[in-house]
Amino acid sequence: AQTVTQSQPEMSVQEAETVTLSCTYDTSESDYYLFWYKQPPSRQMILVIRQEAYKQQNATENRFSVNFQKAAKSFSLKISDSQLGDAAMYFCARKETSGSRLTFGEGTQLTVNP
Amino acid sequence: DGGITQSPKYLFRKEGQNVTLSCEQNLNHDAMYWYRQDPGQGLRLIYYSQIVNDFQKGDIAEGYSVSREKKESFPLTVTSAQKNPTAFYLCASSMGRGSYNEQFFGPGTRLTVL
Repeated sequence: AQTVTQSQPEMSVQEAETVTLSCTYDTSESDYYLFWYKQPPSRQMILVIRQEAYKQQNATENRFSVNFQKAAKSFSLKISDSQLGDAAMYFCARKETSGSRLTFGEGTQLTVNP
Repeated sequence: DGGITQSPKYLFRKEGQNVTLSCEQNLNHDAMYWYRQDPGQGLRLIYYSQIVNDFQKGDIAEGYSVSREKKESFPLTVTSAQKNPTAFYLCASSMGRGSYNEQFFGPGTRLTVL
């Protein structure tokens, strides 16, 4: 099975500091898409950022950015200037171009300390 | 407002009973999905449908059934054959194959077997 692995079950960060969440994945395809979703205590899944594998430039959305290393099959999420509202479970996910289904990692629980 | 609705929010079932979880979307999306989430774990795909009157098994389809008679609706039935149905169930939709077509999620249904 082609998997997505998040090796950090829990992370914590001080408010206003920067934190990086790790994700590695397995795929046999050359073209695919990667996503980071956020699940706050409400349990509503929210898309944070996405990356197309054919793009070398790392995606950025305001305080959120990724470090995409295609050869290493690594897709980490950096959160800058962390805010209390960033506290949530974060999931990394992969989607092959040929299909529509997502494969999710097991998640990283992020705590933001005031 | 466009979005995905799931009902009910909380559902209690006695052992041996079938129960149906509702999922409706007004985003005009072709594809719809059902995921199961257990405590501390990622999302696992139960069933998905890329077009009306067609659906495919995901990774954990045993004990579940679905139908896709309308584009807007994708109900999930948890049958008595499902050994451990207590979990949080999430429905999602997307434009379908190709591109990055992000998945949009509903608010979820918490199912508890008494």
